Amino acid sequence: GENVEQHPSTLSVQEGDSAVIKCTYSDSASNYFPWYKQELGKGPQLIIDIRSNVGEKKDQRIAVTLNKTAKHFSLHITETQPEDSAVYFCAASIGDTGRRALTFGSGTRLQVQP
Amino acid sequence: DAGVIQSPRHEVTEMGQEVTLRCKPISGHDYLFWYRQTMMRGLELLIYFNNNVPIDDSGMPEDRFSAKMPNASFSTLKIQPSEPRDSAVYFCASSRVGLLSSSGNTIYFGEGSWLTVV
Repeated sequence: GENVEQHPSTLSVQEGDSAVIKCTYSDSASNYFPWYKQELGKGPQLIIDIRSNVGEKKDQRIAVTLNKTAKHFSLHITETQPEDSAVYFCAASIGDTGRRALTFGSGTRLQVQP
Repeated sequence: DAGVIQSPRHEVTEMGQEVTLRCKPISGHDYLFWYRQTMMRGLELLIYFNNNVPIDDSGMPEDRFSAKMPNASFSTLKIQPSEPRDSAVYFCASSRVGLLSSSGNTIYFGEGSWLTVV
């Protein structure tokens, strides 16, 4: 089955700096890569996603890049703010077949210092 | 839309008792997932359904766990008998079949059921 590895496990940055979280996946058939943000006491919330036919996607301060050859994808947050502090999860799945469940990375706890 | 609704939000029970967690997926969604989250193992898929039919239950830890989806708007996850190692946050999530667009596979999570078995 799919295996997703995520690094780093914790990340502390100063407000205004950029943060980068990296993930690798094992199943070359995976074609859908979402990122979720989980705040304390809440369920994971989708913040951005990318499909394998796209190399990069951006939404305001958040961007995701995908390298299919190397089987890795990254989340970039620019101009970080204290409210960005949360746990971030990457995930991978095969989206256009019957196998649609997400496999999650282990999570990155991001702390933005004011 | 109200989102994925889970109940109870918090449950404390004694070892050996039966626990039933409930989920109402987003209307119109045809996939439903049960995940478990712990510090040690992260987010683990337990089981998922498509059109109320279980597709993959390989993540269900043991026979003490069972899940049902009697109709498109309701699912249960049952633990009988419960054990302290079952203490975790259980998430229900749902999605719908979509076109090959970036949002076609979006999976939406509920707020979770926090289970403590003492």
